[in-house]
Amino acid sequence: SQTIHQWPATLVQPVGSPLSLECTVEGTSNPNLYWYRQAAGRGLQLLFYSVGIGQISSEVPQNLSASRPQDRQFILSSKKLLLSDSGFYLCAWRTGQGASYEQYFGPGTRLTVT
Amino acid sequence: QKEVEQNSGPLSVPEGAIASLNCTYSDRGSQSFFWYRQYSGKSPELIMFIYSNGDKEDGRFTAQLNKASQYVSLLIRDSQPSDSATYLCAGYGGSQGNLIFGKGTKLSVKP
Repeated sequence: SQTIHQWPATLVQPVGSPLSLECTVEGTSNPNLYWYRQAAGRGLQLLFYSVGIGQISSEVPQNLSASRPQDRQFILSSKKLLLSDSGFYLCAWRTGQGASYEQYFGPGTRLTVT
Repeated sequence: QKEVEQNSGPLSVPEGAIASLNCTYSDRGSQSFFWYRQYSGKSPELIMFIYSNGDKEDGRFTAQLNKASQYVSLLIRDSQPSDSATYLCAGYGGSQGNLIFGKGTKLSVKP
């Protein structure tokens, strides 16, 4: 069965510091991968998605970036965090084959920028 | 812009009652819909998906899709306090299998 991991689970970072969040998926090959942010009291905002190694699409222009160095690894980064970057960061995957569009979420990383 | 709309609630129902959660969508081309349950502080968990008009039942959950009215609903029978959560509706919105999420409806089941 498939499993998705995210770390760290929680993070407190000062404004202007760098960020690196990691997501890995087990039990599947060539998944589509997604990064979402959920700010307090708000809906899910799609940040980035990837259909393969090195292929990144950005949905929202901002000071965040994403990379996919391996098939089942997705990384979210920032060079300098802003207060507005605080939120619950969720990685999700779906199968890259067929017409199944359901996405499965990892446990999330709660980021507080101080 | 493609949108999925949900009443934010909170929706409060007594234990044992039927909870009815509703969702409308703007993209007439959307074919697939998903319901996620999100407990406070946790990540969303997929509980139902529906691709065809009509009803789909899974245990105490029934998803209903009416493409003509652009309307999706989730019924929870015999509601339990453990069903108290925020329920997110999502539609397949186009490129690369991206989903368009509603902002969620908070459900509270009172013992």
